[in-house]
Amino acid sequence: EVQLVESGGGLVQPGGSLRLSCAASGFTFSSNWMSWVRQAPGKGLEWVASIQPDGNEKKYVDFVRGRFTISRDNAKSSLYLQMDSLRVEDTAVYYCARATVGTTWDIWGQGTMVTVSS
Amino acid sequence: DIQLTQSPSFLSASVGDRATITCRASQGISNYLAWYQQKPGKAPKLLIYTASTLQSGVPPRFSGSGSGTEFTLTISSLQPEDFATYYCQHRHSYPITFGQGTRLEIK
Repeated sequence: EVQLVESGGGLVQPGGSLRLSCAASGFTFSSNWMSWVRQAPGKGLEWVASIQPDGNEKKYVDFVRGRFTISRDNAKSSLYLQMDSLRVEDTAVYYCARATVGTTWDIWGQGTMVTVSS
Repeated sequence: DIQLTQSPSFLSASVGDRATITCRASQGISNYLAWYQQKPGKAPKLLIYTASTLQSGVPPRFSGSGSGTEFTLTISSLQPEDFATYYCQHRHSYPITFGQGTRLEIK
């Protein structure tokens, strides 16, 4: 079964850091672009970052560039999101997603909740 | 950045009705548009990609059309499981953006 499972979410204070992980199974992880997409409570979907199959090319939305770092370990079939200098407005469910046909996401994880609050 | 505007934001309809959701892009995006369905507490599900290609396993009552700046998602005969929120998403250029969503509810 093709599956993505996120972990690492939780409660963190403003200015703090958190590292999200996404474990992939059931497909050749090293063949696909992977992305993080988030959704604030009661709000719409928001693309955060994407990474090329070999990890060399990375893309970020402006409001996380310089604070968040996307990475991957193809040997472990895992995707990561290092989040530093967290802000209250970063509070959201974070989904990892597999890209297919360009940046169209056909497989999504169940999401992990990140709450930034003092 | 390319803005996507969906209309309507809220749609009330009955089982068996035909539903149409429109997504307008702030500039031309060729056919680089996808549609997703999301139910409360669940991850989004890919329905349509490249504007009109049905994702494997998605019922044929779902269809997509359009090119350039105007796109449409049509559900030909609503089923109870179709009541959800729908999002369009472009992949023309970075940053990738989504429409604000259309909430489809049972009348």
